[in-house]
Amino acid sequence: NAGVTQTPKFQVLKTGQSMTLQCAQDMNHNSMYWYRQDPGMGLRLIYYSASEGTTDKGEVPNGYNVSRLNKREFSLRLESAAPSQTSVYFCASNPDGANYGYTFGSGTRLTVV
Amino acid sequence: QKEVEQDPGPLSVPEGAIVSLNCTYSNSAFQYFMWYRQYSRKGPELLMYTYSSGNKEDGRFTAQVDKSSKYISLFIRDSQPSDSATYLCAPGGNNFNKFYFGSGTKLNVKP
Repeated sequence: NAGVTQTPKFQVLKTGQSMTLQCAQDMNHNSMYWYRQDPGMGLRLIYYSASEGTTDKGEVPNGYNVSRLNKREFSLRLESAAPSQTSVYFCASNPDGANYGYTFGSGTRLTVV
Repeated sequence: QKEVEQDPGPLSVPEGAIVSLNCTYSNSAFQYFMWYRQYSRKGPELLMYTYSSGNKEDGRFTAQVDKSSKYISLFIRDSQPSDSATYLCAPGGNNFNKFYFGSGTKLNVKP
């Protein structure tokens, strides 16, 4: 099925551990995004990639790194997880043109203890 | 000041009611106005979008934008229990396809 695929769906980490959240889209979209969603805070942009080989910081980039591996894949890495990074993480993609909106993945629920 | 303000609700209405969901935003440069629907434990899905000011209708849903007052609305007619979800407004599009999301309004339509 066409869309945005995120793995894993759930993850529990201990403080200080590292992990990479994977995202892949098969819609040939140029732009890809990573958001986090917290209660009462809405969706906040962590990083985005306008095209293969480029990445830019969003609203809340501290503690995260990203890699746009190719046009399909955009990964998010937590180098040293902190309890404040407990959240639901969504990957999204968008073709060129603001009027298309985003296609979101189903999310990764991350708990840092 | 937040880019987008949205009442979190929850909003509880009986089946068949007309629902009004609203957002305000601060950046006058925003040109595209999206509404997303998010079911529990799912990713948001695009419901409607409007370009610039005016109304757009799609079945039971009407999106309305008033750029002069920076006010966005979504109306749902003949609401159904299946409409129970969180609704997120997302204006933006002025800066390389970037959109700014409201915190979402949780809607519960009671049978």
